[in-house]
Amino acid sequence: ETGVTQTPRHLVMGMTNKKSLKCEQHLGHNAMYWYKQSAKKPLELMFVYSLEERVENNSVPSRFSPECPNSSHLFLHLHTLQPEDSALYLCASSQEAAPGSGNTIYFGEGSWLTVV
Amino acid sequence: AQSVTQLDSQVPVFEEAPVELRCNYSSSVSVYLFWYVQYPNQGLQLLLKYLSGSTLVKGINGFEAEFNKSQTSFHLRKPSVHISDTAEYFCAVSDYGNFNKFYFGSGTKLNVKP
Repeated sequence: ETGVTQTPRHLVMGMTNKKSLKCEQHLGHNAMYWYKQSAKKPLELMFVYSLEERVENNSVPSRFSPECPNSSHLFLHLHTLQPEDSALYLCASSQEAAPGSGNTIYFGEGSWLTVV
Repeated sequence: AQSVTQLDSQVPVFEEAPVELRCNYSSSVSVYLFWYVQYPNQGLQLLLKYLSGSTLVKGINGFEAEFNKSQTSFHLRKPSVHISDTAEYFCAVSDYGNFNKFYFGSGTKLNVKP
């Protein structure tokens, strides 16, 4: 079992659907992240949670709504997405998210999202 | 904010040849530096990292990288590549003053040919 598990691995949804991506980390970390990976673009940091509190929100559209019920689980709720939102969504975790911590980020295998 | 530049989007190389993947970052403030590898249909795996100390860092699978502060570079090298090294490689920077916020380059696809 990998340290960071994401489900589903693949998701196809219509623009009017509501779906959620789930992430679970088994590493005992205190910080969790959502990244978006689109073709030919750098990875985009979407959200950072530290001890279940959101500490970073990178101007992400409100159609993406994160939820962190505890330090092991992170969700990304999706609502009325656009075709340009199709991408690989990567969840990650680190020991902590404190400034200057230099902690390594560990990634899940990602959820491939296609919006039709 | 930091920016990370990976100058080569694709690098073709023959098996057993040496390779260097280039990475430059924008800021002169203190940073932490990382290289990640992504195999097809997988997430990113850590190859190596520089936090402090020796500027030459050794990682997994025979890779190494050298931190050059004056040139703000962190190039990745391997003296002899294998077919199994075919993957996409990402350079990342995390600076001291931010919530463990990673800035990633756009990636370099390494294609090792037999």
